[in-house]
Amino acid sequence: GENVEQHPSTLSVQEGDSAVIKCTYSDSASNYFPWYKQELGKRPQLIIDIRSNVGEKKDQRIAVTLNKTAKHFSLHITETQPEDSAVYFCAASLNDYKLSFGAGTTVTVRA
Amino acid sequence: KAGVTQTPRYLIKTRGQQVTLSCSPISGHRSVSWYQQTPGQGLQFLFEYFSETQRNKGNFPGRFSGRQFSNSRSEMNVSTLELGDSALYLCASSLGGRAAGELFFGEGSRLTVL
Repeated sequence: GENVEQHPSTLSVQEGDSAVIKCTYSDSASNYFPWYKQELGKRPQLIIDIRSNVGEKKDQRIAVTLNKTAKHFSLHITETQPEDSAVYFCAASLNDYKLSFGAGTTVTVRA
Repeated sequence: KAGVTQTPRYLIKTRGQQVTLSCSPISGHRSVSWYQQTPGQGLQFLFEYFSETQRNKGNFPGRFSGRQFSNSRSEMNVSTLELGDSALYLCASSLGGRAAGELFFGEGSRLTVL
């Protein structure tokens, strides 16, 4: 089955700096890659997703890049704010609803 | 519109018992997925139901089972509970089309096995 590895497990950044989280996947047939954000005590929520026919996607301060050849994808958050502090999960699937999630990255934005 | 509702929110069981968790999806959503969340392990896929049929299954033992009713509500059952089953069980609903899309998660059912 699909195996997704996520790094780093924790990330501390100064407010206003950028944060980058990287994930690798094992199944070259995977073609759907969402990112979920889970604030403390809350439910995970989708923040951005990308499909394999696209190399990059942006939504305001958030961007995701996908390198199919290397089988890795990354989340970039620019101009970080305190409300960006949360656990971020990457995931991969064969464009179905069986998502394989990474172990998560705890992001802390220091004021 | 109402979000995904999971019941019960918290429960404590002892080893060997069984438990049933319930999930009511967003109105109009036909796909319901279940995930187990434990510290350091992220979210582990259990199974997904669409139109009362199990469409996808994860790598959990047969003690974990589920079902979906005609109104798309879903239940999952864990029999012969083990200490390692202690976790947050998250249900997620989606429209369920052919292509994967956004999952809308419930707040979860936190199970503690003593």
